Amino acid sequence: AQKITQTQPGMFVQEKEAVTLDCTYDTSDPSYGLFWYKQPSSGEMIFLIYQGSYDQQNATEGRYSLNFQKARKSANLVISASQLGDSAMYFCAMRESSFSGGGADGLTFGKGTHLIIQP
Amino acid sequence: SQTIHQWPATLVQPVGSPLSLECTVEGTSNPNLYWYRQAAGRGLQLLFYSVGIGQISSEVPQNLSASRPQDRQFILSSKKLLLSDSGFYLCASGTSGTDTQYFGPGTRLTVL
Repeated sequence: AQKITQTQPGMFVQEKEAVTLDCTYDTSDPSYGLFWYKQPSSGEMIFLIYQGSYDQQNATEGRYSLNFQKARKSANLVISASQLGDSAMYFCAMRESSFSGGGADGLTFGKGTHLIIQP
Repeated sequence: SQTIHQWPATLVQPVGSPLSLECTVEGTSNPNLYWYRQAAGRGLQLLFYSVGIGQISSEVPQNLSASRPQDRQFILSSKKLLLSDSGFYLCASGTSGTDTQYFGPGTRLTVL
C-alpha cells in the first residue's frame, strides 16, 4: 500500500483563486511529520510547510496552510490567492520516527500534483 | 541557514561507465545526509542516508553506492552505470532533532 497518496495528477486554477492540493497518508507510527515541497521546472525541491503529528494547530507559512485532519489521515495543502509563480509540481512527504529503524528520518514522497496557474 | 551544493548539474554517460556525484553542505555541522532519485514524472525515492562520517545505510539494493568521507561531504558512485540509473539525483541535509530536510539543486543524469 502506498504511504503517501496524492490523487490529483494535475490541476488548472485561475490566478488569485485559492487552491487545495490533496494528500492522504498511511502510517501506524504515533509520531510522524508531514511536509509539502514545491518543485518548479528548474528541479530544485523547495520546502514549504511542516506539520507534526502532535501539533494541535494547523501549520501556516505565509500564503500556505496545511489542513491537517489526523483521524482521516489527511494533510491537504492550501494556497491562498494563487500567483502565476505558484505553477510547479507539489509533493507531499512523510517522515516516520521509526523509518527503517536506522535512526535517520528519511522522507517518503507521494507522486506529486502538477499545478498550473492560469492568468 | 544551510546551503547544499551539488555537482555536476547535468551529466550524460554511456552505459557501463563509472559515476561520481558530489554533495557538500555549508552552514551546519554533523547533518544527516540523504541521496534521493527522481525518475521522470515521479516522486522521490530514498537511496542512501548517513548519520555520520563513514556511516551509510542503503534503502534500495542497486549498483549504486555512497560514501561520506567528511562531515559535510556525501558522494554517490557507481562502477558501471545502467540505463535504469538515469534520473534526477537530489542530495538533502537534515539535522537530528529538527524536522525539515533541505535539498540541493540536483544532478540530472542521462545514461545512453
